[in-house]
Amino acid sequence: AIQLTQSPPSLSASVGDTVTITCRASQAISSALAWYQHKPAKAPKLLIYDASSLESGVPSRFSGSGSGTDFTLTISSLQPEDFATYYCQQFTSYLITFGQGTRLDIK
Amino acid sequence: EVQLVESGGGLVQPGGSLRLSCAASKFTFSKYAMNWVRQAPGKGLEWVSSISGSGLATYYADSVKGRFTISRDNSKNTVYLQMYSLRVEDTAVYYCAKGPGEIPYYFMDVWGKGTTVTVSS
Repeated sequence: AIQLTQSPPSLSASVGDTVTITCRASQAISSALAWYQHKPAKAPKLLIYDASSLESGVPSRFSGSGSGTDFTLTISSLQPEDFATYYCQQFTSYLITFGQGTRLDIK
Repeated sequence: EVQLVESGGGLVQPGGSLRLSCAASKFTFSKYAMNWVRQAPGKGLEWVSSISGSGLATYYADSVKGRFTISRDNSKNTVYLQMYSLRVEDTAVYYCAKGPGEIPYYFMDVWGKGTTVTVSS
């Protein structure tokens, strides 16, 4: 199965900051990557699909880039509601895998 | 608004069985693949299983293959996860998630709030 490695595992930032989370695949996956936001006791929320397409209704401060094996999720001008755990997910084959998650905390 | 509501979670002993249900509303259910994803306590998200819109194609993670069965009843707008031979390590919140189309391996655009399964003696 394709492994996804996210970095960093956690980070602290302040409201208004810009942060970048990286997801590296163990083999090339073209643009078959999605990003999710997950808050405790809530349903995960799709942010980005096909590596860089913004899901409808998601604020434009979220953006995704990359292809092949290296991908990034960038959150510009952090808002209080953005503090959560973020996961990447690949769907290049039927063996779907998620990254281990990146926890974003308030500094 | 598209909605997914999971049910059927609970406490079960190791080796036991449980069936989870996910009731869907506000979309044409048979046209979309459905998925189950779980999160064990203190862990990240783990894909469990997917089923195509028609129900003819099903896929499983290696960790549950041979023990779990995914199915759907398009007349009831419901997807199921039948779990057998449960292990302590199956303890998790189980989420139902909708795919963006008929094919079963893709991203997931709508998620339920989850149902908790605890496997313990």
